[in-house]
Amino acid sequence: LAKTTQPISMDSYEGQEVNITCSHNNIATNDYITWYQQFPSQGPRFIIQGYKTKVTNEVASLFIPADRKSSTLSLPRVSLSDTAVYYCLVGIYSGAGSYQLTFGKGTKLSVIP
Amino acid sequence: DGGITQSPKYLFRKEGQNVTLSCEQNLNHDAMYWYRQDPGQGLRLIYYSQIVNDFQKGDIAEGYSVSREKKESFPLTVTSAQKNPTAFYLCASSYTGTSDEQFFGPGTRLTVL
Repeated sequence: LAKTTQPISMDSYEGQEVNITCSHNNIATNDYITWYQQFPSQGPRFIIQGYKTKVTNEVASLFIPADRKSSTLSLPRVSLSDTAVYYCLVGIYSGAGSYQLTFGKGTKLSVIP
Repeated sequence: DGGITQSPKYLFRKEGQNVTLSCEQNLNHDAMYWYRQDPGQGLRLIYYSQIVNDFQKGDIAEGYSVSREKKESFPLTVTSAQKNPTAFYLCASSYTGTSDEQFFGPGTRLTVL
């Protein structure tokens, strides 16, 4: 079972870039990292997924360094509506097309006006 | 309107009773999942299914049972053997398997009295 570690909480002012790091046992090239966002009393929502180096979409970037012992979710110019809990998910390939899934315990991001 | 529905949103049960949580999806996804969420603990995988009539135990399957008789439906039964059943339960689905983006339902909050 993969072990993941995230900061419990972070604060940021509106308009700033926020970087949230997830540390994990070094993962193999077949393994992936996904980040989800969750608001209170709702199900999580997909943000971004990657296997290596850097992935960018319209809302975030994901950086996975060469040693693959961590990954960083980057949110550009956060707004108050980005206040939520952010979870990293590590998918470790277990053969036959399946992955063992381990979620981190979440990082509560508070955006301050 | 495609998505995942979970019912009911809140559920109360007396200690010693079994209870079944409903999860339905109309996204035509092959894979479905059940997670348990406790405060400060992130999401922990209970069971998952990648195809009809087949399912696999996750990290905390003891005291739970599932069935997957139809592609659209993946009910979870919390049995009286589950020692600490009070939690927020989340159902999710993904297109094919465990490397795909997961779409989550709104969750069911179970309280055992």
